[in-house]
Amino acid sequence: QVQLKESGPGLVKPSETLSLTCTVSGFSLTSYHVSWVRQPPGKGLEWMGVIWGDGSTAYNSALKSRLSISRDTSKSQVFLKMSSLKTEDTATYYCARGRDWGQGVMVTVSS
Amino acid sequence: DVVLTQTPSILSATIGQSVSISCRSSQSLLDSDGNTYLYWFLQRPGQSPQRLIYLVSNLGSGVPNRFSGSGSGTDFTLKISGVEAEDLGVYYCMQATHAPWTFGGGTKLELK
Repeated sequence: QVQLKESGPGLVKPSETLSLTCTVSGFSLTSYHVSWVRQPPGKGLEWMGVIWGDGSTAYNSALKSRLSISRDTSKSQVFLKMSSLKTEDTATYYCARGRDWGQGVMVTVSS
Repeated sequence: DVVLTQTPSILSATIGQSVSISCRSSQSLLDSDGNTYLYWFLQRPGQSPQRLIYLVSNLGSGVPNRFSGSGSGTDFTLKISGVEAEDLGVYYCMQATHAPWTFGGGTKLELK
């Protein structure tokens, strides 16, 4: 069955770069897109970006200058990198494919 | 970017009551391929979002048929025909017709 699981550091310092990994199973990254969505504590969902089956990407306009999504199809992994972190980037980060979502990983940006 | 406006932001209901949530888009969500990429999600407390409805009106696998979606163009509605306790949480609409994709601000369904 389809599964997605996020992993990464729970704590990152301001101005540093966040690196998250989404490991998927049950489908091929060359056939389906994977999105990243985040949710600050107590707030709504924010779509961050997507990597399509052909490897092309699209990003949230407000995050585009700091965000990069890539993948390693041989490892069934999708990567999110976001630079110049601010405290406002504290959130739970999810990867998702259609109806299937990971459990999310909480990232705190603090010195 | 497309802005999705959900109303109301908070919805109080009793068990068994039928309720509706509106999602209005700043642009038509009808794609050139003929599809309308409008989705509804429910996020229960402490859980990941669950997709309820895809392509405006298609019920997700395993989703109870008391949920229904309708609409076209810029106006969309999620209806729950007979709220049950497990339906409590925050509902979001999302559009994937125009990049970047966007979510509505959410509607919290609570017990009256």
